[in-house]
Order: sequence, then structure tokens, then C-alpha cells
Amino acid sequence: AQSVTQLDSQVPVFEEAPVELRCNYSSSVSVYLFWYVQYPNQGLQLLLKYLSGSTLVESINGFEAEFNKSQTSFHLRKPSVHISDTAEYFCAVNPGGFKTIFGAGTRLFVKA
Amino acid sequence: NAGVTQTPKFQVLKTGQSMTLQCAQDMNHNSMYWYRQDPGMGLRLIYYSASEGTTDKGEVPNGYNVSRLNKREFSLRLESAAPSQTSVYFCASSDARGGTEAFFGQGTRLTVV
Repeated sequence: AQSVTQLDSQVPVFEEAPVELRCNYSSSVSVYLFWYVQYPNQGLQLLLKYLSGSTLVESINGFEAEFNKSQTSFHLRKPSVHISDTAEYFCAVNPGGFKTIFGAGTRLFVKA
Repeated sequence: NAGVTQTPKFQVLKTGQSMTLQCAQDMNHNSMYWYRQDPGMGLRLIYYSASEGTTDKGEVPNGYNVSRLNKREFSLRLESAAPSQTSVYFCASSDARGGTEAFFGQGTRLTVV
């Protein structure tokens, strides 16, 4: 079975500061890794994903995540956040079937 | 392109009442899913349909039934609502299993009193 742990439930940060949202997973098989973002009163949207190849993946809006197999982590980072990045972020894993396992979520709150 | 559409957006039920949540996707996806979202617990899979004509239980299926009406539509039914089913429900669809992106609807906020 797989599990996902997001290590911070809330992360407050000032605008233009860097941020890291931490995600660790547990699995006995290889998995696909995802970060989804949920803006207030909306559904989830894919931010980025790791399937294979380069361990560093990037999104179009400046986020990046690095797959670390030895530490079973997939932390999300952004060097400079904006007010508009305020949202809830979900880390998720999928072993290749139909069941994606989501973490509990991390609320990112960007302050002016 | 509407993507994934859920109805209704909000609903209040009394304990014991029944209701059906509707979901439709216009992306010609094979797979559809129902999740519930509760504070501090992320999203948990209730049921999924890998393809038209098939449905399977997810992590938390008790108290729910589903119908894959056709390739576009996947409904979730609560036969006898309980306060523990107060949650936000999300429908999602994807083209295939595994590494493909899931597209989510905007959610249904259900309160059972």
C-alpha cells in the first residue's frame, strides 16, 4: 500500500520570499508523483508531475519539485512567491493503477 | 470546453434523505472518479469507473452507490444520508490509469443535518 505525508499543514510566507512544501511518500513499488493546487472554492488542478527521467520537474508558473528516491520525497519549491500563489497544495502518488493517494494538503498563505 | 461539470454545487440534506450527485465530462475520458474532501484528510477515493460499464470501490465506499450511465456521466448516490457524509465531493476524470493527469470538477458541498 502507498501513503503520502505532507509535513506542514500550513505555511505562511511573505510575498517574494522562497517557499518549500514538503512531501514524503511510502511505497513498495515505483510510483508516479504529482502536485495539485486548489484555489478557494475550486477543484484541484495539476501543477506538475514526475513520471520518469529527470528528477527535477517544473511548472509553467515557477514551481519546481525534485524526486528523491533515496529519501522518498517530492518537495515543492518556488524561489519567489506571489499573493496569487495562496492556495492549498496536495502531493499525490499513483503506483500505475486507478487509485491515486493524496496527502492531507498544505495551505500556503502568502502575506503582503 | 466545460471539462468536468458537477451538479448541484451546494446541498443540505436531513439525516435519512437520499440524493444523487451528477457528474459529466466532455473530454472523452475513459476513467471517472468520485472523491470526498475533509479537513486535514486530503481527498479520499469513494468509487471509480475505469471504463464505461465498470465500477469499483475505492477507499471509503460505505454508504454510497455509483452508476456509470455512459462514457460521459458518472453519478454518486447517497441512499440514506448521515451526518458523517457531510463533506465536499469532487468528481474527476482521466484518460487512462497511472501517470495521466486527473481533471476535477468544482465540487459539491454537502451538509447533512
